[in-house]
Amino acid sequence: GIQVEQSPPDLILQEGANSTLRCNFSDSVNNLQWFHQNPWGQLINLFYIPSGTKQNGRLSATTVATERYSLLYISSSQTTDSGVYFCAVDSPNDYKLSFGAGTTVTVRA
Amino acid sequence: DAGVIQSPRHEVTEMGQEVTLRCKPISGHDYLFWYRQTMMRGLELLIYFNNNVPIDDSGMPEDRFSAKMPNASFSTLKIQPSEPRDSAVYFCASSYNRGADTQYFGPGTRLTVL
Repeated sequence: GIQVEQSPPDLILQEGANSTLRCNFSDSVNNLQWFHQNPWGQLINLFYIPSGTKQNGRLSATTVATERYSLLYISSSQTTDSGVYFCAVDSPNDYKLSFGAGTTVTVRA
Repeated sequence: DAGVIQSPRHEVTEMGQEVTLRCKPISGHDYLFWYRQTMMRGLELLIYFNNNVPIDDSGMPEDRFSAKMPNASFSTLKIQPSEPRDSAVYFCASSYNRGADTQYFGPGTRLTVL
């Protein structure tokens, strides 16, 4: 199956800082999503982004499908941004989402 | 829409007991997915349905696990008999289309098997 690697595994930020999370994948993809798992365990959709760039408030994401990576940008981080960020992909031959191990983000006031 | 609904939110049971987890997908979504999240294995897909038909159950860990979708608005994941290693958070998700569409996740059921 498709392999998904996320980096860094952990990130500690001061409130107001910017950060970039990376997701590398091993094959062409049909679907790529970014999720935020909050401290209560809820998985929140952030972006559906198999290619291109999208922005939603302080968050934005870019996927370069030809180079098999995606980036999630967090600007002006807030304590509510804390949690685990997951990248998930599936391939055109296998419509099953495979999740990366996640990046744990801690934003300190 | 209320989103994907799962019940119960928490379940504590003893080894050997039958456990049934329930899911109501978003209305109009044709695909339903069951995932399990553990510290050791992360998030993994167990099974998915299309139009109430199981399509791929290769992620189901063993015969103690079974899933059904009797209609478009209801699915169950059953574990019988349950074991302590089944303790995990079980998520249900649904989507309108396979692959090229956003999957929306329910709040999860936290299962503890003593």
